[in-house]
Amino acid sequence: KAGVTQTPRYLIKTRGQQVTLSCSPISGHRSVSWYQQTPGQGLQFLFEYFSETQRNKGNFPGRFSGRQFSNSRSEMNVSTLELGDSALYLCASSLVVQPTGELFFGEGSRLTVL
Amino acid sequence: TQLLEQSPQFLSIQEGENLTVYCNSSSVFSSLQWYRQEPGEGPVLLVTVVTGGEVKKLKRLTFQFGDARKDSSLHITAAQPGDTGLYLCAGANAGGTSYGKLTFGQGTILTVHP
Repeated sequence: KAGVTQTPRYLIKTRGQQVTLSCSPISGHRSVSWYQQTPGQGLQFLFEYFSETQRNKGNFPGRFSGRQFSNSRSEMNVSTLELGDSALYLCASSLVVQPTGELFFGEGSRLTVL
Repeated sequence: TQLLEQSPQFLSIQEGENLTVYCNSSSVFSSLQWYRQEPGEGPVLLVTVVTGGEVKKLKRLTFQFGDARKDSSLHITAAQPGDTGLYLCAGANAGGTSYGKLTFGQGTILTVHP
């Protein structure tokens, strides 16, 4: 079956702009989690959605937001971009809520903020 | 905030050597997962350990969960170039308002030279 699909794979933005990233989970998976990966901080949890409800949220400012649709697809948005937002944003889907379910990661969306 | 410290951060060895990666915390985790990530891809789950003292073997890889569920190790026997990648440990929070959130270690970059 198809894996987790993230779009776009690469994007370049300038400071102050906003960006929306999309994630299509594996068919049948209802939980979607988002992570930010940087060389200095590693993988940091952003939020998890299950059945269109945010179940968990990491320690990120309010500029980072997300949502999940009825078909389990998810989007995350970052407003007023800062240079430090440059990172690989990873989406992971799971059949059930964490921590019991295995996480299946997409290939990520690499964001560069200039 | 729960932290997972991974060591070493970098490991460069010759094919055929053995190695161990450590994952330590002062916090108790309900379970611990190990992932491997290759360049340009998302992390892929290798194993989940849930019981204190548990040992799991996956071919040449041996995973151990500490008795107190605060630490874990990954041992690779006779490393091969195909083992090259970023190894990540991730602990599932044991309780409280953050139950279910995964905390990732900083990762260990392993390079196995032919």
